Amino acid sequence: EAGVAQSPRYKIIEKRQSVAFWCNPISGHATLYWYQQILGQGPKLLIQFQNNGVVDDSQLPKDRFSAERLKGVDSTLKIQPAKLEDSAVYLCASSVPGRGGRNEAFFGQGTRLTVV
Amino acid sequence: AQSVSQHNHHVILSEAASLELGCNYSYGGTVNLFWYVQYPGQHLQLLLKYFSGDPLVKGIKGFEAEFIKSKFSFNLRKPSVQWSDTAEYFCAVTSSGGYQKVTFGTGTKLQVIP
Repeated sequence: EAGVAQSPRYKIIEKRQSVAFWCNPISGHATLYWYQQILGQGPKLLIQFQNNGVVDDSQLPKDRFSAERLKGVDSTLKIQPAKLEDSAVYLCASSVPGRGGRNEAFFGQGTRLTVV
Repeated sequence: AQSVSQHNHHVILSEAASLELGCNYSYGGTVNLFWYVQYPGQHLQLLLKYFSGDPLVKGIKGFEAEFIKSKFSFNLRKPSVQWSDTAEYFCAVTSSGGYQKVTFGTGTKLQVIP
């Protein structure tokens, strides 16, 4: 079974530039998550999709971050403009919804973003 | 809102030592509890999980965790660690209702010295 694919693996940009990350979840996984993991901290949920609808984006800085999941499969996360504090690893995960939250999330390798 | 606390940020052990990593959660309803592990250079992967039933759950690679409802805890244990257990360990919780948001703790870095 193929895992969660993310690209690029690394990205270095200057502040105020824009950047986009791509995620392809495991086939059949209706739930897709984007997490931000700052060095020394645990993953923080940015946005959660179920199919192509957003079910939680309460911690997404909407003035600069946006995400979409067209057709309920692939997803992109964009930052525009980037700030120094956005330097982090951006993780994409997917899972099968339901079963009362018992299904594990499967994670991609992440994209390490450095803003200089 | 649900939250997870991990008290040990960095643990250093010698091989064959016993391990216990603390995890406490805060949530008013029924929760599902997970431990994930991230080996150097690899993605997060599931170590073990608890939903209901026997509060002592066993996972991969000899790890186990005990759910103590009265203490809101889900501590991870291993009787004898190996150098290959060097990794970062994350405790996580999902609610049984709603859209099953996954909330992570801050993680514990474990370094095992040969």
